[in-house]
Amino acid sequence: DAGITQSPRYKITETGRQVTLMCHQTWSHSYMFWYRQDLGHGLRLIYYSAAADITDKGEVPDGYVVSRSKTENFPLTLESATRSQTSVYFCASKAPPREQFFGPGTRLTVL
Amino acid sequence: AQKITQTQPGMFVQEKEAVTLDCTYDTSDQSYGLFWYKQPSSGEMIFLIYQGSYDEQNATEGRYSLNFQKARKSANLVISASQLGDSAMYFCAMREDNYGQNFVFGPGTRLSVLP
Repeated sequence: DAGITQSPRYKITETGRQVTLMCHQTWSHSYMFWYRQDLGHGLRLIYYSAAADITDKGEVPDGYVVSRSKTENFPLTLESATRSQTSVYFCASKAPPREQFFGPGTRLTVL
Repeated sequence: AQKITQTQPGMFVQEKEAVTLDCTYDTSDQSYGLFWYKQPSSGEMIFLIYQGSYDEQNATEGRYSLNFQKARKSANLVISASQLGDSAMYFCAMREDNYGQNFVFGPGTRLSVLP
């Protein structure tokens, strides 16, 4: 499918477990982003990547790890999930200088 | 300090009327971009309109227009002839070129269109 996809769409996990959220885009956009959306905070940037093997921290990176070995994939890993990481996670991609295109989101619940 | 301020947590508008959603921003960059996104209850983020800091004309996209007042650091979204399907959260966002390609989003405004 063309565009940007995220998997899983819904995930329930337990405190302390490792969780990986997947993001895949078919446009060959150089930039990719991970955001979390919480009530009252809008969208906050976790990490972004300018190209394969180039990543940088955003506003709220603690507790998260990213990698980008291929242009089209940008997985986000919660190494040891905490309840405060319960959120909706959005992946996005863009080709400069234009707008970002967002994936459908992953709703993560940490019990 | 917040870089994007949206002072209206919620707004109501009558169907077929126009509505303005406020957005002010804070940056010391000369080159930046301003964006508006719509998030309906289904959750996806939909791009609406873009304004570059050097664009002299206000951006328009169909029923959406951006009232860009650079000196006031204001980038209000105007929706003309509101429709019931316009009910959603609306986010203003800014890209500062000196900080790479990452965006900063405002807290959003929830618009409800009344029949």
